[in-house]
Amino acid sequence: DVKVTQSSRYLVKRTGEKVFLECVQDMDHENMFWYRQDPGLGLRLIYFSYDVKMKEKGDIPEGYSVSREKKERFSLILESASTNQTSMYLCASSSGRLYEQYFGPGTRLTVT
Amino acid sequence: AQSVAQPEDQVNVAEGNPLTVKCTYSVSGNPYLFWYVQYPNRGLQFLLKYITGDNLVKGSYGFEAEFNKSQTSFHLKKPSALVSDSALYFCAVRENYGGSQGNLIFGKGTKLSVKP
Repeated sequence: DVKVTQSSRYLVKRTGEKVFLECVQDMDHENMFWYRQDPGLGLRLIYFSYDVKMKEKGDIPEGYSVSREKKERFSLILESASTNQTSMYLCASSSGRLYEQYFGPGTRLTVT
Repeated sequence: AQSVAQPEDQVNVAEGNPLTVKCTYSVSGNPYLFWYVQYPNRGLQFLLKYITGDNLVKGSYGFEAEFNKSQTSFHLKKPSALVSDSALYFCAVRENYGGSQGNLIFGKGTKLSVKP
């Protein structure tokens, strides 16, 4: 079974803090993704990566950055957290051969 | 532009009755279509996909989906609903860039509620 893990299930941070969300997959997938999920808005793509050290902006990259130093790990960074970044963050990975994405359990981030 | 629509925010079904969750899509070229389920405070779980071949696709937990090219639809179905099927369901379509790359575009989700 594909396993995608995220470093925290719940996280509370203060406005202005730097926040790191970590994602690790164990299936040697080339592709990794970060989404945020908000009620009524569905899933929105923040950043994605098709290879190590490669990153591409998704639909809502403002206020975020990412890092992919190793194939299995994809980190999402909030340089200076703001209250409008309170959300559920979902990481996913996929193999080019299979097309479907496999998701981690999510991190519910609250910024106060 | 490629897009996915789930026209119903919520679907209510009695346990034992058949269920349908609707999805329509708009893509250029051949569509790659997916269904996911999300239980409360969990990530999304992959249910099934249509890439090519038979229009009726079978997936996990007894779910199936029917691809209809003329109606550009990919509705999720189950012959007999269970209370445990209550969850949020997402339809997705893959962008066709060619090759092995291509992001998924998700619908806004449909909440399925199955009552005993």
